[in-house]
Amino acid sequence: DIQLTQSPSFLSASVGDRVTITCRASQGISSYLAWYQQQPGKAPKLLIYTASTLQSGVPSRFSGSGSGTEFTLTISSLQPEDFATYYCQQVDSYPLTFGGGTKVEIK
Amino acid sequence: QVQLVESGGGVVQPGGSLTLSCAASGFTFSGYGMHWVRQAPDKGLEWVAFIRYDASNKYYGDSVKGRFTVSRDNAKNTVYLQMNNLGTADTAVYSCAKDKGSSTGSFDYWGQGTLVTVSS
Repeated sequence: DIQLTQSPSFLSASVGDRVTITCRASQGISSYLAWYQQQPGKAPKLLIYTASTLQSGVPSRFSGSGSGTEFTLTISSLQPEDFATYYCQQVDSYPLTFGGGTKVEIK
Repeated sequence: QVQLVESGGGVVQPGGSLTLSCAASGFTFSGYGMHWVRQAPDKGLEWVAFIRYDASNKYYGDSVKGRFTVSRDNAKNTVYLQMNNLGTADTAVYSCAKDKGSSTGSFDYWGQGTLVTVSS
């Protein structure tokens, strides 16, 4: 199975900060990676698919990059509604797997 | 608008069984793959199962393989998850999620989930 390691697992940031989250795969997955945002008590929301494609309706401050084994999710200017937990997910092969999550909290 | 509504959760004893349902609306259900994902209390996301739009392919997570069975009824716009031989590690909120396509693996809509508690 493909393992995904996210870092950091927790980060504290301020409104307006640029934030970067990294996801590393245990083997190459081309661009078959998605990113989700989960706010407390809510269902996850798809942000990015195929590593860098913005899901419809997602603000342009979110961007994704990478291929192979290393990927990043960047929030260019953190907004109050962005404080949440973020998960990467590989969609290269079954079983699908998620990273452990990155919780973004207000500094 | 797309809606996914899960039902069937509850409290079950270890070794017991439960069947979850997910009723879908707002899209052409028969054209999309469907997934089940679970989240244990205060834990991360774990993918559980997938069924292709025509049920021709089904896949399972390692921790549930051989115990859980996914199925669908396209006439009723419903996907099911039959869970057998449940253990305490299966305690979680179970959510169904719509695949972006027939089998892309990305989930563009999620239900709110149904809680399954395995306890004696």
